[in-house]
Amino acid sequence: NAGVTQTPKFRILKIGQSMTLQCTQDMNHNYMYWYRQDPGMGLKLIYYSVGAGITDKGEVPNGYNVSRSTTEDFPLRLELAAPSQTSVYFCASSYGLSSGNTIYFGEGSWLTVV
Amino acid sequence: AQKVTQAQTEISVVEKEDVTLDCVYETRDTTYYLFWYKQPPSGELVFLIRRNSFDEQNEISGRYSWNFQKSTSSFNFTITASQVVDSAVYFCALSGSSGSSASKIIFGSGTRLSIRP
Repeated sequence: NAGVTQTPKFRILKIGQSMTLQCTQDMNHNYMYWYRQDPGMGLKLIYYSVGAGITDKGEVPNGYNVSRSTTEDFPLRLELAAPSQTSVYFCASSYGLSSGNTIYFGEGSWLTVV
Repeated sequence: AQKVTQAQTEISVVEKEDVTLDCVYETRDTTYYLFWYKQPPSGELVFLIRRNSFDEQNEISGRYSWNFQKSTSSFNFTITASQVVDSAVYFCALSGSSGSSASKIIFGSGTRLSIRP
């Protein structure tokens, strides 16, 4: 009963370091998403993917990269971390929103850049 | 462009009071989908409801009810006889049906609801 799994759950990065947030889902969903939630704020879409090999930018893509080589995995790469990237990151997946489905979220990854 | 506005940043009520959380949306799509999510203090995101734009029936689920009004582009959420366990941040969200808007959900900024004993 795994659903959407994100790792790591907590991470502290130094300015300029790079890291990858891992996300995997076992529901055979085509659609996957990365959101960030700044303290006391709503969720902003970073990148999304409608299937393996297809990715697209969301509302706040700068400073991030993604890839989607398999249906299950959608890693988010932070290059040259900056304090403005301190946030909670949520990965999510869906069968597709226009067909009566909703998005299922992972538990979140807390990232601090110092 | 799509937009969701939750004008109420924070609401605090005493237990057993009724409370309504407002949500106003903007979209050019004629078919679209609206959602409410709950984020308790533990941080996870819990799906509450999905509403299709072509179905304007209001919905009730226990103490929760949702009022969808296409004429005013609103999708408000009411909790009746609130309880302390209802304390959370509540997010309204919108997905379109055409082009890239059909592939993603856009969230409002959330309303933090505190229920005092």
